[in-house]
Amino acid sequence: DQQVKQNSPSLSVQEGRISILNCDYTNSMFDYFLWYKKYPAEGPTFLISISSIKDKNEDGRFTVFLNKSAKHLSLHIVPSQPGDSAVYFCAASGAGNNRKLIWGLGTSLAVNP
Amino acid sequence: DSGVTQTPKHLITATGQRVTLRCSPRSGDLSVYWYQQSLDQGLQFLIHYYNGEERAKGNILERFSAQQFPDLHSELNLSSLELGDSALYFCASSVGAGANVLTFGAGSRLTVL
Repeated sequence: DQQVKQNSPSLSVQEGRISILNCDYTNSMFDYFLWYKKYPAEGPTFLISISSIKDKNEDGRFTVFLNKSAKHLSLHIVPSQPGDSAVYFCAASGAGNNRKLIWGLGTSLAVNP
Repeated sequence: DSGVTQTPKHLITATGQRVTLRCSPRSGDLSVYWYQQSLDQGLQFLIHYYNGEERAKGNILERFSAQQFPDLHSELNLSSLELGDSALYFCASSVGAGANVLTFGAGSRLTVL
């Protein structure tokens, strides 16, 4: 049972345009959400996070939006650059004893020059 | 270099064999996490140690075991290997016990023939 779902296995965008990666979750107890980026032959690296008390968090070209009622979050990358080409994982955790991170399957983003 | 060191990077072995994967966490981090990533699968949490003690178990098979030593390095032991155990095994570390932002190593790729 996939509690964190990234329904698009892959996404291709042109350099300079916006990349939007989506993530849905089913567990209403999740209260913290993260995005990690993974290049080939490397481990995932933390990108950006958002707490459930917020609906938006921005860090440079990266913005994460959270819609709690829809149990949906998205990562926006503007403008997209070829170096952003990687696999992006969405992860979620709950409070207290539910702090174990639950991961999506990832979306492979290709930014074309 | 993330600061988390995993050895070996690649390992090829036969079914029924036993292997040990090693992880040295980032300096100052007390928590070590082990994850498995199989083909077309997301990151599956295996086990979490904090300062030498097991804190959480995920989908870890009984054939697998782990420990964290006093110097905080960790080992993941995989025994009676099956073809389906072929995967990337990631180690991650964090400062605290309930952290969501993890620092990952580059992974150990295990191939079981």
